[in-house]
Amino acid sequence: EDQVTQSPEALRLQEGESSSLNCSYTVSGLRGLFWYRQDPGKGPEFLFTLYSAGEEKEKERLKATLTKKESFLHITAPKPEDSATYLCAVQPNNNAGNMLTFGGGTRLMVKP
Amino acid sequence: KAGVTQTPRYLIKTRGQQVTLSCSPISGHRSVSWYQQTPGQGLQFLFEYFSETQRNKGNFPGRFSGRQFSNSRSEMNVSTLELGDSALYLCASTLGVNTGELFFGEGSRLTVL
Repeated sequence: EDQVTQSPEALRLQEGESSSLNCSYTVSGLRGLFWYRQDPGKGPEFLFTLYSAGEEKEKERLKATLTKKESFLHITAPKPEDSATYLCAVQPNNNAGNMLTFGGGTRLMVKP
Repeated sequence: KAGVTQTPRYLIKTRGQQVTLSCSPISGHRSVSWYQQTPGQGLQFLFEYFSETQRNKGNFPGRFSGRQFSNSRSEMNVSTLELGDSALYLCASTLGVNTGELFFGEGSRLTVL
């Protein structure tokens, strides 16, 4: 059974204080690992897809990296508007379509 | 380009009733997935439809069902509602199967009393 564990559950940062969110996963065969951002009262918004160990993707203050067992979402010099819940999900390569297994999320709060 | 539209946004039902939720995907998207989100269990996959066919089903009882129409719009139905069915039901669409890059709607928040 595929499993995704995210840590920490919640993270409070001061504006400009860089940090990383962790996503540990077990999957029989990984087709893709995804990061999503979810604001209160909204559906998740797609951020990144990572396919193989060593791959990195960047978008503004966010950088996602992937190893064979975990992924990190690095946030550099965060701003209050980066406050949200960040979700990690895995997609197995067993022809399961778009059936993703999500982690519990990390709730990020950035204070000015 | 319009996003994924879900209706209704909020609804309150009582135990034993049934509910139907609707989802209109982004134009051109043929895959529609449904997820349940609760504080305790997080986001859990319900089912996925592609070209009117159910491709996958999550680990939910048979009270949860869905369908997709020829215009890719989708509905999900929950019969004999239980208190534990209270959740945010999210619909997501994407171009095809196996993309993983899902575009979510804002969800339908169901409260069962």
